[in-house]
Amino acid sequence: SQTIHQWPATLVQPVGSPLSLECTVEGTSNPNLYWYRQAAGRGLQLLFYSVGIGQISSEVPQNLSASRPQDRQFILSSKKLLLSDSGFYLCAWSALDWTEAFFGQGTRLTVV
Amino acid sequence: GIQVEQSPPDLILQEGANSTLRCNFSDSVNNLQWFHQNPWGQLINLFYIPSGTKQNGRLSATTVATERYSLLYISSSQTTDSGVYFCAVAAYSGGGADGLTFGKGTHLIIQP
Repeated sequence: SQTIHQWPATLVQPVGSPLSLECTVEGTSNPNLYWYRQAAGRGLQLLFYSVGIGQISSEVPQNLSASRPQDRQFILSSKKLLLSDSGFYLCAWSALDWTEAFFGQGTRLTVV
Repeated sequence: GIQVEQSPPDLILQEGANSTLRCNFSDSVNNLQWFHQNPWGQLINLFYIPSGTKQNGRLSATTVATERYSLLYISSSQTTDSGVYFCAVAAYSGGGADGLTFGKGTHLIIQP
């Protein structure tokens, strides 16, 4: 069966520090991968999606970037965090036929 | 892009009650999912239901794609049903791998 792992679960970072969040998927090949952010406890916003290694599409201009160095690995990064980057970040995957999506457990990021 | 509206935004019920949550969307969709976000933030897949009716235990869902709405029914509510319920949709066209567009959710509280 397929599983998705996301870490760390919580993170407190100072303003101006770098960020790296990692997501890996097991049990499937060539997944579509996604990063979402949830702010203020409601509504999820799509940040990035990827259909293959090195292929990244951004939905919202921001202080963040994403990379997909391996087929089942998706990384969310920032060179310098802002206070407004605080939130709950979730990674998700779906099969190539773009049917059901499955989410990781999320990373709660607090920028102080 | 597609607009998703969920109602009601908040719902407080006594244990044992039944409830109906509604999701309206603004355009034709290929994907519609219902999620339950637990107190730890994890998104639990409830239904993948772009059309038709499905049931899983005390939960059932119906999507009427031609009228652009979906309903989630919860019967005999339990305190563990508390949390936020999200509806999310996507419309794919010829190769797009866009992610899901989420509604703002229904915050359900089941009191003992």
